[in-house]
Amino acid sequence: EDKVVQSPLSLVVHEGDTVTLNCSYEVTNFRSLLWYKQEKKAPTFLFMLTSSGIEKKSGRLSSILDKKELFSILNITATQTGDSAIYLCAHRNSGNTPLVFGKGTRLSVIA
Amino acid sequence: NAGVTQTPKFQVLKTGQSMTLQCAQDMNHNSMYWYRQDPGMGLRLIYYSASEGTTDKGEVPNGYNVSRLNKREFSLRLESAAPSQTSVYFCASSEAMNSHEKLFFGSGTQLSVL
Repeated sequence: EDKVVQSPLSLVVHEGDTVTLNCSYEVTNFRSLLWYKQEKKAPTFLFMLTSSGIEKKSGRLSSILDKKELFSILNITATQTGDSAIYLCAHRNSGNTPLVFGKGTRLSVIA
Repeated sequence: NAGVTQTPKFQVLKTGQSMTLQCAQDMNHNSMYWYRQDPGMGLRLIYYSASEGTTDKGEVPNGYNVSRLNKREFSLRLESAAPSQTSVYFCASSEAMNSHEKLFFGSGTQLSVL
């Protein structure tokens, strides 16, 4: 059974800190790994990773995939209170099946 | 841009009552999904519809039914609500399942079953 495990489950940091969120997966026939940010309402898409070792970047957020070790990390530098959210990792395999989500990491950034 | 629209946003039911959650997307997507989110549990898939005319069970389908009314609309029905169905429900859509396309989510329905 395909599985996604995120760590830590929750994290509290101060503004300006750098954080690393982890996502490990067990999946047959890997196709892609996605990161979403969920504030109050609907999850919003951050990154999709398909190739190992290629960093995706958007402002202070970046993510990279290691297909050999079966994990991905999401980095946030110079954190702001607006980064407080649940960060969800999900994978898709190459079959005709939906995304499988991890339980998420709840990040709280305090001033 | 409306994207994915869910109704209602909030609902309180008594045990045993029934209700239907409505979802519509205006992005001409083929695939639609219903997820539930409970504290500490992430998003768990209830049912999905890969294309118009098809529906399949997800991870937690018990107590739910779905209807893919047309390409735009995908409804979720609770026939006899139970307190264990208290949750936040999200509808989502994607262009297709067998591709890299990402999911787009609705704003959620907060459901409480007393």
